[in-house]
Amino acid sequence: GQSLEQPSEVTAVEGAIVQINCTYQTSGFYGLSWYQQHDGGAPTFLSYNALDGLEETGRFSSFLSRSDSYGYLLLQELQMKDSASYFCAVRSSTDSWGKLQFGAGTQVVVTP
Amino acid sequence: DAGVIQSPRHEVTEMGQEVTLRCKPISGHDYLFWYRQTMMRGLELLIYFNNNVPIDDSGMPEDRFSAKMPNASFSTLKIQPSEPRDSAVYFCASRLAGVVTGELFFGEGSRLTVL
Repeated sequence: GQSLEQPSEVTAVEGAIVQINCTYQTSGFYGLSWYQQHDGGAPTFLSYNALDGLEETGRFSSFLSRSDSYGYLLLQELQMKDSASYFCAVRSSTDSWGKLQFGAGTQVVVTP
Repeated sequence: DAGVIQSPRHEVTEMGQEVTLRCKPISGHDYLFWYRQTMMRGLELLIYFNNNVPIDDSGMPEDRFSAKMPNASFSTLKIQPSEPRDSAVYFCASRLAGVVTGELFFGEGSRLTVL
């Protein structure tokens, strides 16, 4: 079967750095995505990693290690608006292009 | 360009009633997805379409659920009869084939409460 694991909640202060880990087990693997969802809102795309290494987009970075079936999302210079849920999602070879399996999500709470 | 549009945003109904949720994907997108989100089960994929054709409905919970996509700009998700356990936020999402990132664009969701 397929599974994704990520922590349920992380709390940090403004200006800090937070790392959200995601480990996955799939029968095949094409890539790892990250989505952000504010309370009452829609998930929005943050990043995608298909190859090993770090992808940086502004204050957010995402990392992938295919050999370890592991990735993380790094949030730097935390701001209050970063309080949200963050989901990792995998696209596996048993699914076609668009079928993503989402993790349970990590609630990030940013305090003043 | 307008995003994915869903209606209604909120629906409260009684057990046994029929519920129809609607979705207009982003123009030009050739994939459409229906997800359900609950605290217990997270984001679950119910069904998805490619060029209006249902590709995978293995996530549809039971025969009470059905989805259609009569044309490229409209899809419905129907629950008949509805049950309290169907209470959830239902999201529609669309994407464009060939985009390496596979980015999904979600609508704002339809929050369904079945009493």
